[in-house]
Amino acid sequence: DTGVSQDPRHKITKRGQNVTFRCDPISEHNRLYWYRQTLGQGPEFLTYFQNEAQLEKSRLLSDRFSAERPKGSFSTLEIQRTEQGDSAMYLCASRGRQGGPDTQYFGPGTRLTVL
Amino acid sequence: AQKVTQAQTEISVVEKEDVTLDCVYETRDTTYYLFWYKQPPSGELVFLIRRNSFDEQNEISGRYSWNFQKSTSSFNFTITASQVVDSAVYFCALSGGAAGNKLTFGGGTRVLVKP
Repeated sequence: DTGVSQDPRHKITKRGQNVTFRCDPISEHNRLYWYRQTLGQGPEFLTYFQNEAQLEKSRLLSDRFSAERPKGSFSTLEIQRTEQGDSAMYLCASRGRQGGPDTQYFGPGTRLTVL
Repeated sequence: AQKVTQAQTEISVVEKEDVTLDCVYETRDTTYYLFWYKQPPSGELVFLIRRNSFDEQNEISGRYSWNFQKSTSSFNFTITASQVVDSAVYFCALSGGAAGNKLTFGGGTRVLVKP
């Protein structure tokens, strides 16, 4: 079974541009999470899906951020009008019965640099 | 609100020394889960262990051991006979028993094992 994959691994963009990241969870995992990790800090929760439904959003997720999981499989995270403060590692995790009901498995992350 | 504190920001040891990482948590949930993740320089968060709040039995897995003490809200992690490959940032995390189970991470402890 393959792990969680994320694309791209690195993204450099100019301030004001839009970016979109993709996450493919472990197959058959019905719960998918997005986290953001800034340099030297622990990851912070952004949002979570159960199947295609977005059930919780952090206040960190401003109006410029939107996440989707249209068919309950892969998910996308879009940031509009990027700002330098958006520079961070964006981590995706999925969770299911594999390994226990409450263990989240993480992808390699997408490192965003906003110039 | 949930909170995880890892007071040690960085620990440096010489190979074969033991190293203990401290983790203290706060939660109002009666059922919760505690985790340790490893983040090597490659950036991917690697799951190490999960403990349930109702199971205070300590655990040993190879060179890793965990000491969960509910009375002091601590979940400490020890690496015995450290190796250079253990060099990484280690995160303690907490999730509640409610639906969603988003993770709240500590700030991480960087472990540097010198040969």
